[in-house]
Amino acid sequence: KQEVTQIPAALSVPEGENLVLNCSFTDSAIYNLQWFRQDPGKGLTSLLLIQSSQREQTSGRLNASLDKSSGRSTLYIAASQPGDSATYLCAVNDYKLSFGAGTTVTVRA
Amino acid sequence: EAGVAQSPRYKIIEKRQSVAFWCNPISGHATLYWYQQILGQGPKLLIQFQNNGVVDDSQLPKDRFSAERLKGVDSTLKIQPAKLEDSAVYLCASSPLFTSGATDTQYFGPGTRLTVL
Repeated sequence: KQEVTQIPAALSVPEGENLVLNCSFTDSAIYNLQWFRQDPGKGLTSLLLIQSSQREQTSGRLNASLDKSSGRSTLYIAASQPGDSATYLCAVNDYKLSFGAGTTVTVRA
Repeated sequence: EAGVAQSPRYKIIEKRQSVAFWCNPISGHATLYWYQQILGQGPKLLIQFQNNGVVDDSQLPKDRFSAERLKGVDSTLKIQPAKLEDSAVYLCASSPLFTSGATDTQYFGPGTRLTVL
């Protein structure tokens, strides 16, 4: 059974600082990995999807890396802003999505 | 393009009562998912439909939970009878097409927050 762990569970940083969010998974036989953002009272928004054959994916200030052999992915958010405050979830797809519990990020103005 | 719609947004019931949630996916999306998200945890897949057929319901507690997607469009998820541990957010998602072994990006609705007293 796939187990997905996200560390840390919560993170508070001053505006402008770079964010580093970690995700680890136990079974490396995956098709892809996704990072989602969840705002309070709202659904999940897909941020980045990395196919198993890729090493990284970038969108604007967001960059996600994938090391399938070690079962790890990292989401980098450059120059954080208060609007980045949310919970970030990673999900691995090994025929269905298995989610981590998320990292709750607070960016202080 | 309209997103995934869910109703109601909030529901409070007593244990042993019944409750139903409704989901309307993005137009044209063949695959529909129901997830349960307990506070402090990530979403857990309950059931996946492709058109009106069930692809995966291995984590659905079938003694109390049921779901249907009769015309391959909207879907309902029912809990009967509810237990305290069913308190959670129920998320619906849809994607254009499910191909065995890989999924398209899933688009999520806002969820229904259920509180069982």
